[in-house]
Amino acid sequence: GENVEQHPSTLSVQEGDSAVIKCTYSDSASNYFPWYKQELGKGPQLIIDIRSNVGEKKDQRIAVTLNKTAKHFSLHITETQPEDSAVYFCARRALGRNNRLAFGKGNQVVVIP
Amino acid sequence: DTAVSQTPKYLVTQMGNDKSIKCEQNLGHDTMYWYKQDSKKFLKIMFSYNNKELIINETVPNRFSPKSPDKAHLNLHINSLELGDSAVYFCASSQDPDGELFFGEGSRLTVL
Repeated sequence: GENVEQHPSTLSVQEGDSAVIKCTYSDSASNYFPWYKQELGKGPQLIIDIRSNVGEKKDQRIAVTLNKTAKHFSLHITETQPEDSAVYFCARRALGRNNRLAFGKGNQVVVIP
Repeated sequence: DTAVSQTPKYLVTQMGNDKSIKCEQNLGHDTMYWYKQDSKKFLKIMFSYNNKELIINETVPNRFSPKSPDKAHLNLHINSLELGDSAVYFCASSQDPDGELFFGEGSRLTVL
């Protein structure tokens, strides 16, 4: 279906280490995979996204990788900083007008100074 | 210059009451949404409007009624509030139904 599973639910990392969050999906028609970051008391904000025609995308300390065969995609944060502490949501959408964005359940990332 | 603004930010009310949450976006977007975020942080879409036309209507009780007077506004009215309606409600907008979502800061509804 259109669900997306997100693991782990909580991740604690030491400042400076890397954090990786993985999401899996089942709908092979999925072609768009964004990641949203939600800081405490705020709304989610897009931080990076990837479409199905590429396998990896980087933006400074964050990167997203996509494995269409295995139907999973991951968010990588390198050199983590305290301001990276937040809830991260993966999402997916299939082609077609009005196909809704389906969100994962979110990962709480805690960066320990 | 808030892009997506929603009011009120906090709302505490008794069971059975009727309440509304308002949302406005100044991004010139065509599509607007309401999402519900429960205590476990799960984000679930409720409604979506594109150019004032309802395009997504998830399985929500008909006590919830969205209204889009124009492209820049999408309000949510809730009748006969129940305890389970307690959540944070997020308004969002996007350029089109396939675009990046821009979320408001949320409206925390507490039903006593």
